Amino acid sequence: EPEVTQTPSHQVTQMGQEVILRCVPISNHLYFYWYRQILGQKVEFLVSFYNNEISEKSEIFDDQFSVERPDGSNFTLKIRSTKLEDSAMYFCASSELAGYTDTQYFGPGTRLTVL
Amino acid sequence: RKEVEQDPGPFNVPEGATVAFNCTYSNSASQSFFWYRQDCRKEPKLLMSVYSSGNEDGRFTAQLNRASQYISLLIRDSKLSDSATYLCVERRGNEKLTFGTGTRLTIIP
Repeated sequence: EPEVTQTPSHQVTQMGQEVILRCVPISNHLYFYWYRQILGQKVEFLVSFYNNEISEKSEIFDDQFSVERPDGSNFTLKIRSTKLEDSAMYFCASSELAGYTDTQYFGPGTRLTVL
Repeated sequence: RKEVEQDPGPFNVPEGATVAFNCTYSNSASQSFFWYRQDCRKEPKLLMSVYSSGNEDGRFTAQLNRASQYISLLIRDSKLSDSATYLCVERRGNEKLTFGTGTRLTIIP
């Protein structure tokens, strides 16, 4: 069964450093998403991406964050200058379409630790 | 008021029992709902979708009550492998999912 993959599984970085989290969505999917989950809290939407553009973003997704689809398979989330409060699990998701019945499939996540 | 509210639990239930969770949502414009399960430090995985009044899949039944703005999940004949956190999720537009905080379930042998 096709699945979303993410690398690395765990990233440790110093405050102020840039990090890039990578995702490979399911191959025939057109919509891509990033969510995050701070330890002990709920999963929160960050951004959705379609046709090489951001289609929706949350208040969390400020100027420190950016997304990119650099080639036909990868989807990346960049955090320019990490803060302690960016420590969280970051999940990538993808869906074939974006109708209200379409399922979003989640990758295994990248645990980001900012020291 | 929170967009999606769930009782965080924990629910500790003996194996074989039936357990039910409720979830309430605040926006009447929400179009579709989902139950995802999340194991400790893992990704959410879709358990069931709920678009109309309800959906049944084996031991799992989900119900939607739009008038009262709540969704329920019923698990019959619970198994040890059902131990997880159950996430109530709504979708209002076409893309963004809004998650509840989850209900933790532990099945006791």
